[in-house]
Amino acid sequence: EIVLTQSPGTLSLSPGERATLSCRASQSVSNNYLAWYQQKPGQAPRLLIYGASSRATGIPDRFSGSGSGTDFTLTISRLEPEDFAVYYCQQYGSSPRTFGPGTTVDIK
Amino acid sequence: EVQLLESGGGLVQPGGSLRLSCAASGFTFSSYAMSWVRQAPGKGLEWVSGIGNDDSTYYGDSVKGRFTISRDDSKNTVYLQMNSLRAEDTALYYCAKGPAAGPNLPTYWGQGTPVTVSP
Repeated sequence: EIVLTQSPGTLSLSPGERATLSCRASQSVSNNYLAWYQQKPGQAPRLLIYGASSRATGIPDRFSGSGSGTDFTLTISRLEPEDFAVYYCQQYGSSPRTFGPGTTVDIK
Repeated sequence: EVQLLESGGGLVQPGGSLRLSCAASGFTFSSYAMSWVRQAPGKGLEWVSGIGNDDSTYYGDSVKGRFTISRDDSKNTVYLQMNSLRAEDTALYYCAKGPAAGPNLPTYWGQGTPVTVSP
């Protein structure tokens, strides 16, 4: 099973600032099948990024994904008020699919 | 518009069984993979099971041998049969739509159905 580690656990930033979230895998993620999700309180998760760097339908271009192999990054170029949430990475290149523990982006 | 409506959750005793259902609409159900993902109260996401549009199935290690995923394309519904339930299975269970091709990943999520395992 591939274990995903996300850092930092919490990121405290102000609107307009840049957010950089990390996801590290215990072994190489097949075909860079790495996704990022956003979850707000009381809501279901929403897919942001798949294939490490492809934005899902309707996702603003301030969200971008990068990385390969075992190290991946989600960048939010300028935080909007609605971006404060929990972000999860998930690998879907091998079974069982696994999620990281999440990074909370909160308002400083 | 894609809609996923989960049902079947509730309170069950340890060792008991439940069957969750997810009724889908707004897309050609038979062409898409589907998944179940759960979230324990105050915790992160855990992938539970997936089923391809070819009926191939996959399970997380913690539920293998106890849970069974299936689909009925004539009813646009995916099921999760949960047996030998444990306290640690207590969670909100989300149904998620996958892609039409390629490896299964949750691209769109329902609102979830809660499962509580307690005496």
